[in-house]
Amino acid sequence: NAGVMQNPRHLVRRRGQEARLRCSPMKGHSHVYWYRQLPEEGLKFMVYLQKENIIDESGMPKERFSAEFPKEGPSILRIQQVVRGDSAAYFCASSPQPRDNQPQHFGDGTRLSIL
Amino acid sequence: AQSVTQLDSHVSVSEGTPVLLRCNYSSSYSPSLFWYVQHPNKGLQLLLKYTSAATLVKGINGFEAEFKKSETSFHLTKPSAHMSDAAEYFCVLNSGGSNYKLTFGKGTLLTVNP
Repeated sequence: NAGVMQNPRHLVRRRGQEARLRCSPMKGHSHVYWYRQLPEEGLKFMVYLQKENIIDESGMPKERFSAEFPKEGPSILRIQQVVRGDSAAYFCASSPQPRDNQPQHFGDGTRLSIL
Repeated sequence: AQSVTQLDSHVSVSEGTPVLLRCNYSSSYSPSLFWYVQHPNKGLQLLLKYTSAATLVKGINGFEAEFKKSETSFHLTKPSAHMSDAAEYFCVLNSGGSNYKLTFGKGTLLTVNP
């Protein structure tokens, strides 16, 4: 499967635990974007990364959330000390390089549930 | 400021009848517009895109959309609905001020009745 791969598909955490969401972009794509989807809402941009660089994290909450895209391996979205409000679907997208007319390709998402 | 308004949160049609999902946008730049479809517990699949070429855009699965600058609209249509079209549809704007930060509408849930 050459598409965007996200894992796990479903993740359950208790309040205060850490959540790690992984994303492997499509082959040949070096730009990764993370979005969050709350119930009955559209997706909201969180962060844009290239290999080893965070380009734009203007959509990320200032505390507890971090993202990385190392030279080797998948991109990771990390949420520390999770709270109930973090329950959402988190989607990763990738593209070759950002252009206005270049669609982003999305993974199937990680559904995060906080108990 | 950039924004996308999907005028209907839920549209219900009968199988074989036309589909119309409405989308209006606001953008300070020349927009690129997309329609994505999301089936339950799945990611988003690109249906079609408008990128300042032809104003009538044809996509996959028989869908098409028309860009109307005077009306700031990009409505999605299909002549005949199929049961497999039942899903959530998102109108998405990429408006050039930032060429990667997509702006999503809130989505329209399409129900297709037999």
